[in-house]
Amino acid sequence: NAGVMQNPRHLVRRRGQEARLRCSPMKGHSHVYWYRQLPEEGLKFMVYLQKENIIDESGMPKERFSAEFPKEGPSILRIQQVVRGDSAAYFCASSPRQTGTETQYFGPGTRLLVL
Amino acid sequence: AQSVTQLDSHVSVSEGTPVLLRCNYSSSYSPSLFWYVQHPNKGLQLLLKYTSAATLVKGINGFEAEFKKSETSFHLTKPSAHMSDAAEYFCVAGGSQGNLIFGKGTKLSVKP
Repeated sequence: NAGVMQNPRHLVRRRGQEARLRCSPMKGHSHVYWYRQLPEEGLKFMVYLQKENIIDESGMPKERFSAEFPKEGPSILRIQQVVRGDSAAYFCASSPRQTGTETQYFGPGTRLLVL
Repeated sequence: AQSVTQLDSHVSVSEGTPVLLRCNYSSSYSPSLFWYVQHPNKGLQLLLKYTSAATLVKGINGFEAEFKKSETSFHLTKPSAHMSDAAEYFCVAGGSQGNLIFGKGTKLSVKP
C-alpha cells in the first residue's frame, strides 16, 4: 500500500507565477489535510477536504490560495501570484475517517522556493 | 482554544543516555495527543499516539510517552539514545475539527 504521495518534491517559482502542488492520499483514505511549515516553525493547518468538498479552510489565507479534491485524481493546492513569503514546505496528510483520534499519514512534502 | 507547547527548542544528549522531550498542552477537553518525528528534508512519521485508552503509550523505536492530566503534559522519553534518533520531534494535539495542532518542535542532537 503506497503511502501519501506528493509532487513535485521541490518547486521553484518566480514572484507572480502560479504554484500547483499535488497530493495523492493513501488508498482508501477520503480525508485530506494540507499544512504549511515555515522555516524553524512547526506545521500550521491550512485546509481540510473530503472528496469534492472543502470541510474547513480556516487556516488558509483568504487571497491567492485555493484547494480542491476532485472526485477523480489528486488533491491540488494552488497558490496564485506567489510572493517570497510563500516559500515553505507544504505537507499533505490523509486519513480514512474524520475523528479527533484518527491518525493522519503524511506525505514527504513539497518544498516551494519563490525567487 | 487548543495549544501545544514544547518547552525546549533544542535538546542535546550523548549516545546511550536517556532522552526527555517535554510537551504541555492546553485544551478544554481531553484531546488526542501524538508525537511525530521529522528527519531532515523528509516527511513526518508517527511515533505514538494517546487516545485515552492507557496513560503510558509505547511507540516505535523504543520511544514512549506518558499522559498526565493533572500536569497537562505528554512528555516523550527513551531510555537510551541512538545516533539515528537525531531529528526534529513534534508534539501534536488532535483538534476538534479533525485537524492537527502542532508544537513548534524540538530538535534532538545525539553526540557520539
